[in-house]
Amino acid sequence: EDQVTQSPEALRLQEGESSSLNCSYTVSGLRGLFWYRQDPGKGPEFLFTLYSAGEEKEKERLKATLTKKESFLHITAPKPEDSATYLCAVQALATGTASKLTFGTGTRLQVTL
Amino acid sequence: DAGVIQSPRHEVTEMGQEVTLRCKPISGHDYLFWYRQTMMRGLELLIYFNNNVPIDDSGMPEDRFSAKMPNASFSTLKIQPSEPRDSAVYFCASRRGRGGEKLFFGSGTQLSVL
Repeated sequence: EDQVTQSPEALRLQEGESSSLNCSYTVSGLRGLFWYRQDPGKGPEFLFTLYSAGEEKEKERLKATLTKKESFLHITAPKPEDSATYLCAVQALATGTASKLTFGTGTRLQVTL
Repeated sequence: DAGVIQSPRHEVTEMGQEVTLRCKPISGHDYLFWYRQTMMRGLELLIYFNNNVPIDDSGMPEDRFSAKMPNASFSTLKIQPSEPRDSAVYFCASRRGRGGEKLFFGSGTQLSVL
């Protein structure tokens, strides 16, 4: 069974204080790893897809990286508007249910002034 | 584009009552997904459709849950009878094609079963 574990559960940063969120995964064969952002009272919003170890993607202050066992979401010089829950999900290669995403429980990030 | 539209936004009901959640996917999207989100278990896939046909319902908790997609622009998730442990946020999501990325989520329905 595919599993995704995110850490820490919650993270509080001061504005400008860089940090990283971790996503560890177990999957029979990885088709893709996804990062989503979720604001309170809203549905998740797509950020990145990573397909192979060594791949990196960037968007503004966020950079996602991937190894064979985990992914990191690096946040550089965060601002209060980066406060949200960040979700990681994996999609397996195998089976006819190739569309299924397995999500972690997320990291709640709070960035203060 | 209006995005994925879910209704109602909030639903409070008593144990044993029937609950119907509704979803309108983005026009042109041929995949539709129903997820449930709780603090303990995170986002769990309940069922998904491709071209209005249910493909995988292995995540549906039990027979009390049912989902339909009568046409490309409408889907329902029904719980009958509802129980307090069904309390959660239910999300509908849609996308185009077989690729896994860029699922577009609705704003969810917050369900409370008393």
